[in-house]
Amino acid sequence: AQSVTQLDSHVSVSEGTPVLLRCNYSSSYSPSLFWYVQHPNKGLQLLLKYTSAATLVKGINGFEAEFKKSETSFHLTKPSAHMSDAAEYFCVVSRPSGAGNMLTFGGGTRLMVKP
Amino acid sequence: DTGVSQDPRHKITKRGQNVTFRCDPISEHNRLYWYRQTLGQGPEFLTYFQNEAQLEKSRLLSDRFSAERPKGSFSTLEIQRTEQGDSAMYLCASSLVGTGDNEQFFGPGTRLTVL
Repeated sequence: AQSVTQLDSHVSVSEGTPVLLRCNYSSSYSPSLFWYVQHPNKGLQLLLKYTSAATLVKGINGFEAEFKKSETSFHLTKPSAHMSDAAEYFCVVSRPSGAGNMLTFGGGTRLMVKP
Repeated sequence: DTGVSQDPRHKITKRGQNVTFRCDPISEHNRLYWYRQTLGQGPEFLTYFQNEAQLEKSRLLSDRFSAERPKGSFSTLEIQRTEQGDSAMYLCASSLVGTGDNEQFFGPGTRLTVL
């Protein structure tokens, strides 16, 4: 079984300040972990992915995430928020490829960026 | 455009009617997934195909839901006797097995409103 908990449903930051979106996961297997972003009226876009290589993963648009097995966490960070970062963010865990790669999504964190 | 496409983008129907949605995956992708996203929640997995074979369908929400991928290319998701609780965004994703982490690429979704 696998599950994902996003610890904050809403996060508000000022433009230019750091972003931290928190995610904890539970998985019976060695997980693949992802962060997806969903802008209003647009499809889900992959930000970054962890697949058992380097524990610090860099993604698009300056985002990065660190896999911490001991804490079962995969928090998403960005040093400096931009207005265009305002969106819904989903932390996702995946079953292994042989089991179909079913994705399990967290409940989402809505990021608001104030001018 | 070579991404995942879905049709229609919006569907309004009356309770009790049948609806069918279409998904066209990225052309060389052999896996196709359906997810449902209700307001304020993360997407939840429904079913997936590898080529024309439906390998997981236990997560379909009821026997009113069915999906097909007859030639291993496009797929359809049908909901019979729609209920107001079926109102949601229905997302399709595709991936290519054998390319490492089997990243899933999402379409823009079909938003269903049941009156």
